[in-house]
Amino acid sequence: SQQGEEDPQALSIQEGENATMNCSYKTSINNLQWYRQNSGRGLVHLILIRSNEREKHSGRLRVTLDTSKKSSSLLITASRAADTASYFCATDGGSNYKLTFGKGTLLTVNP
Amino acid sequence: DAGITQSPRHKVTETGTPVTLRCHQTENHRYMYWYRQDPGHGLRLIHYSYGVKDTDKGEVSDGYSVSRSKTEDFLLTLESATSSQTSVYFCAISEEGGGARKTQYFGPGTRLLVL
Repeated sequence: SQQGEEDPQALSIQEGENATMNCSYKTSINNLQWYRQNSGRGLVHLILIRSNEREKHSGRLRVTLDTSKKSSSLLITASRAADTASYFCATDGGSNYKLTFGKGTLLTVNP
Repeated sequence: DAGITQSPRHKVTETGTPVTLRCHQTENHRYMYWYRQDPGHGLRLIHYSYGVKDTDKGEVSDGYSVSRSKTEDFLLTLESATSSQTSVYFCAISEEGGGARKTQYFGPGTRLLVL
């Protein structure tokens, strides 16, 4: 079964708005990662947050992690049409080399 | 996609035929992975390798085999393709070590259609 589950499954917003996606997982983790996938392409790593971190920023991305609730959120601020993509969270479940991906959130940013 | 290539990029085959997909990396990373991506299921791990000739099963390994005779190449074989194996297949690589080294880098994918 999937370790991570993203919510919502799909999100449509206007350019300039913020987009928030959530991820819930089931077992303990060392790290949680977020990836992005443009249509027809491979996944691209966005950001990694360690289990002892609560928040991390990278450009317009902000990731939070709440290990007590086994959940994470990805916030994209001031979204652009080019941010249109699917976003996946991935957890390691304590493994040193395996990741389990969620089903993803499809974000559409309308110009 | 830099440093990772997959071949072929597209393939149409018939039920019952063998199919081999190739993943080639130039990064000298230790770990290599094969995933399949299907609507409604996200990305699921088929097999992975933690070194030359060292492989293990993932979540959906039935009907698939793998081989890794060189660091740079990881082959995925469908011994007798079935329509349920129609999917997009992604190869990924990662370095040895924890923390940020767990980041996986993905190839461009192979679209496989089994008729």
